[in-house]
Amino acid sequence: QVQLVESGGGVVQPGGSLRLSCAASGFTFITSGMHWVRQAPGKGLEWVSFIRYDGISKYYRDSVEGRFTISRDNSKNTLYLQMNSLRAEDTAVYYCVPGDFWGGYFAYWGQGTLVTVSS
Amino acid sequence: DIQMTQSPSSLSASVGDRVTITCRASQSISSYLNWYQQKPGKAPKLLIYAASSLQSGVPSRFSGSGSGTGFTLTISSLQPEDFATYYCQQSYNTPPTFGQGTKVEIK
Repeated sequence: QVQLVESGGGVVQPGGSLRLSCAASGFTFITSGMHWVRQAPGKGLEWVSFIRYDGISKYYRDSVEGRFTISRDNSKNTLYLQMNSLRAEDTAVYYCVPGDFWGGYFAYWGQGTLVTVSS
Repeated sequence: DIQMTQSPSSLSASVGDRVTITCRASQSISSYLNWYQQKPGKAPKLLIYAASSLQSGVPSRFSGSGSGTGFTLTISSLQPEDFATYYCQQSYNTPPTFGQGTKVEIK
């Protein structure tokens, strides 16, 4: 069965950095596009970033462009999100989700990892 | 970005009620519309994809309809385990965007 295990969340001060990881299993990671989707406490779902199966194409929402970097290691079936210059508004649970960038849907979700940006 | 607007934002209903949630897109998205259910402290769960296709394992009391800019999620007979927040999401254009959610509460 599909398993997605996010890790790396925690409490960080504004302006700080964190690196999230997502260990994937139970599906063909090497041919799957991958997303990060986040949810601020008590708020709705918000798409953050996408990386194509081969890591060549990457996309970001405007508010994180230039601060976040998505990457993947297909030899380890692992997705990453490097988050720099963190702001209070980045506080959220971050989910990794396999899927196409266009035309698809999010059938599998991890349990999420909580990032709290606070002084 | 395509804006997705759900109505109502919340509703109170009783077990056995028929419940309808509406999702409207700011432009036509054909049938590229998905519905998710989320319970507190849990990840979202896919219910309906491509506007009307039931995800495997999802009870048949859930159904979706619509195309273009207007869509509905219907729960034919609300069960205790259906009290949750529901989100629509479009995948017609990038970036994918979600509605603000509809919280279904016990009456």
